[in-house]
Amino acid sequence: DAKTTQPPSMDCAEGRAANLPCNHSTISGNEYVYWYRQIHSQGPQYIIHGLKNNETNEMASLIITEDRKSSTLILPHATLRDTAVYYCIVTGTASKLTFGTGTRLQVTL
Amino acid sequence: NAGVTQTPKFQVLKTGQSMTLQCAQDMNHEYMSWYRQDPGMGLRLIHYSVGAGITDQGEVPNGYNVSRSTTEDFPLRLLSAAPSQTSVYFCASSYSRLAGMGEQYFGPGTRLTVT
Repeated sequence: DAKTTQPPSMDCAEGRAANLPCNHSTISGNEYVYWYRQIHSQGPQYIIHGLKNNETNEMASLIITEDRKSSTLILPHATLRDTAVYYCIVTGTASKLTFGTGTRLQVTL
Repeated sequence: NAGVTQTPKFQVLKTGQSMTLQCAQDMNHEYMSWYRQDPGMGLRLIHYSVGAGITDQGEVPNGYNVSRSTTEDFPLRLLSAAPSQTSVYFCASSYSRLAGMGEQYFGPGTRLTVT
């Protein structure tokens, strides 16, 4: 699986959009970009995934650059409950994931 | 659906003791896996299973055994606990191994301390 690079931490004001970047310059053609988050010490929670097109669901949007070397997870209206560690994972198989240290997002009032 | 359940939630072992961490899922998922998470780190894959009777090693398999006799259950056995195995253990399941076909569902974790 390709390696990913994420900033260690970010802050976001409640109600504003949170934009979390991820670099994955060695991604190969059959690898997907997945995002998970971990709130406190709970089990990770799936957010969204994509191959090359932008994706949106009820939780977030995923923007993947045309060359697929980077992506951005967007939480459109962050709330305090979105405070968590966010993991960007690039993988060719959904059942075996390689987690890095992620981005710790702090949402503040 | 209960999703992925894990027992116990907390466990303290002495060095050299053995125990089994239980994991069950009620979603009829073929793929199940065990991860460990050390403080300040991401999750690391210990063992995984692609179906009943089929298991394989992940990134950090030493000191752990698994078996998969049913689709629902995937227990993790610590053979002789060591302080280095103090960690939080997460079990996960997924419908498909194909990268575009779905997410992993994680259990709430078992917090293990080995003294």
